[in-house]
Amino acid sequence: DTGVSQNPRHKITKRGQNVTFRCDPISEHNRLYWYRQTLGQGPEFLTYFQNEAQLEKSRLLSDRFSAERPKGSFSTLEIQRTEQGDSAMYLCASSTGGNSPLHFGNGTRLTVT
Amino acid sequence: QKEVEQDPGPLSVPEGAIVSLNCTYSNSAFQYFMWYRQYSRKGPELLMYTYSSGNKEDGRFTAQVDKSSKYISLFIRDSQPSDSATYLCAMSKAAGNKLTFGGGTRVLVKP
Repeated sequence: DTGVSQNPRHKITKRGQNVTFRCDPISEHNRLYWYRQTLGQGPEFLTYFQNEAQLEKSRLLSDRFSAERPKGSFSTLEIQRTEQGDSAMYLCASSTGGNSPLHFGNGTRLTVT
Repeated sequence: QKEVEQDPGPLSVPEGAIVSLNCTYSNSAFQYFMWYRQYSRKGPELLMYTYSSGNKEDGRFTAQVDKSSKYISLFIRDSQPSDSATYLCAMSKAAGNKLTFGGGTRVLVKP
């Protein structure tokens, strides 16, 4: 399967702990996006990269959140000092840019206890 | 008020019926319109992708965009139980730009 891959699929952590998620985009997709989705809601934009450059960040991305894409391939999203309100599905998507649509992975479900 | 509004449902239809879904939006800058299908505990899967106003058909799916009314629709013909999912509309201001999603409509197709 050459789709967008996200790991882990599910992460349970205690409040105050740090967590890191990984996204491997479709090969040769130079744009990579992170979204967050809570139960019963549509995905909300967090940030996106063009190659290794982080071009836009939502105000939803507090200073406890950081995303990187060091070599323009895979990306990581880290949440420091997790809070219960961080419990959500974190989705990654990639595209080739231009008119091409976004293709999503199956997400990482975070539960903060 | 959200930029993109979508009735959450659930919308329940018998197998073989036409499913009609819609979204309204407030920002006239949106130019690209998409419909995604999302099964439980899975990521969104792209169904339809259209630019500006007009209709687009792909198999059992038809997407319509009416920019003057800020209203988009998705029709699913000959619905099947496997079409039971949440359908998300999404839109962007420019090609390849970030997407703004509706909240999703849950659809149940009963055999």
